[in-house]
Amino acid sequence: SQQGEEDPQALSIQEGENATMNCSYKTSINNLQWYRQNSGRGLVHLILIRSNEREKHSGRLRVTLDTSKKSSSLLITASRAADTASYFCATDAWDNNNDMRFGAGTRLTVKP
Amino acid sequence: EPEVTQTPSHQVTQMGQEVILRCVPISNHLYFYWYRQILGQKVEFLVSFYNNEISEKSEIFDDQFSVERPDGSNFTLKIRSTKLEDSAMYFCASSEWAVANYGYTFGSGTRLTVV
Repeated sequence: SQQGEEDPQALSIQEGENATMNCSYKTSINNLQWYRQNSGRGLVHLILIRSNEREKHSGRLRVTLDTSKKSSSLLITASRAADTASYFCATDAWDNNNDMRFGAGTRLTVKP
Repeated sequence: EPEVTQTPSHQVTQMGQEVILRCVPISNHLYFYWYRQILGQKVEFLVSFYNNEISEKSEIFDDQFSVERPDGSNFTLKIRSTKLEDSAMYFCASSEWAVANYGYTFGSGTRLTVV
């Protein structure tokens, strides 16, 4: 399955610290994306990294992709209480009609 | 900013009843999707839809499920005879392109509770 699997399942940090979440997947992919979900709400697209890219930045977010290890990481620097949410990685691949498949997510809690 | 709109936000239904979940995708998007999320669990792909037909469906999307684009704006998910295990958040998403180069835009979801 191309589906991503995130770890850790839950992460609790203090405001100002960095948060690192990881995602692993099993098959070759076209793109990997990270989404954020506030409790009980919809999914918000954060950042996309293509299979031929290794690193991408967007504000306080930094995403890396290692296709040889089939893994990605999402780093949130200088975290804030408002970053508290669940973070999901999602992958798409040619053999799944390019539809996105999500992992189980990491629940991030940032304590003020 | 354009949004994907889902209605209702919460629906409670008796087991065995039919439900229709509605979505209005972004107007210039051509690709539509339904996902579901059982409380606290992962987001699961149900179905993708393009050009008035299903592009792909998961093993979850059995004969009890159907999708339709009845007019130019709505995209619906019907569950014919609901079961307790259908209780979940159902998310609609749309995208402009087939390959998710720019991400999908998700709606806020419909919380379906089957009692």
